[in-house]
Amino acid sequence: GAVVSQHPSRVICKSGTSVKIECRSLDFQATTMFWYRQFPKQSLMLMATSNEGSKATYEQGVEKDKFLINHASLTLSTLTVTSAHPEDSSFYICSAIQAPSGYNEQFFGPGTRLTVL
Amino acid sequence: DQQVKQNSPSLSVQEGRISILNCDYTNSMFDYFLWYKKYPAEGPTFLISISSIKDKNEDGRFTVFLNKSAKHLSLHIVPSQPGDSAVYFCAARESGTYKYIFGTGTRLKVLA
Repeated sequence: GAVVSQHPSRVICKSGTSVKIECRSLDFQATTMFWYRQFPKQSLMLMATSNEGSKATYEQGVEKDKFLINHASLTLSTLTVTSAHPEDSSFYICSAIQAPSGYNEQFFGPGTRLTVL
Repeated sequence: DQQVKQNSPSLSVQEGRISILNCDYTNSMFDYFLWYKKYPAEGPTFLISISSIKDKNEDGRFTVFLNKSAKHLSLHIVPSQPGDSAVYFCAARESGTYKYIFGTGTRLKVLA
């Protein structure tokens, strides 16, 4: 099946630093990837849609200058949390759509737990 | 405004019995629905889906029912097994997009 990986799985950083999270589709090409965040006991909230070779589309309320998304290839998207603060601590999950078919199902990565001290 | 709602935050079921997880939505433009299962600190795993043109889809122990007039879908798991214990999310897709809206999840606990 389609596999999506994320790295790192956990990261602890100091306030004010930037953190990069990678999302890779291991055995398929993903023209579209999504970034979600999940707070404890809450739903997955879509942050942005990332299309290969173009700028990401951010959801309302998500700061694009704070959450930088790059989708440079058909198998890799990165999310950089810039100048992280404790309120950015969350569980970040990416997902990918298998191109050209598979538009109905998203394959999710295992998630990255970010803790900002 | 929560367009996809799972009103039961938790559910406990005895092993071997049926688990029924419910999901309600408000947007009539949703055309595709998914159920995902999620363990703590892991990404969601796809379980089963249903298109808005159908009212039922079955895959092994899992069956999803869709009632469009009521804007309601449900996931039935029978027989329930302890390994089914997880958080279950329903998700709905806006027609013409890849964008899914997720419910808040229901934590299922299957008791041995």
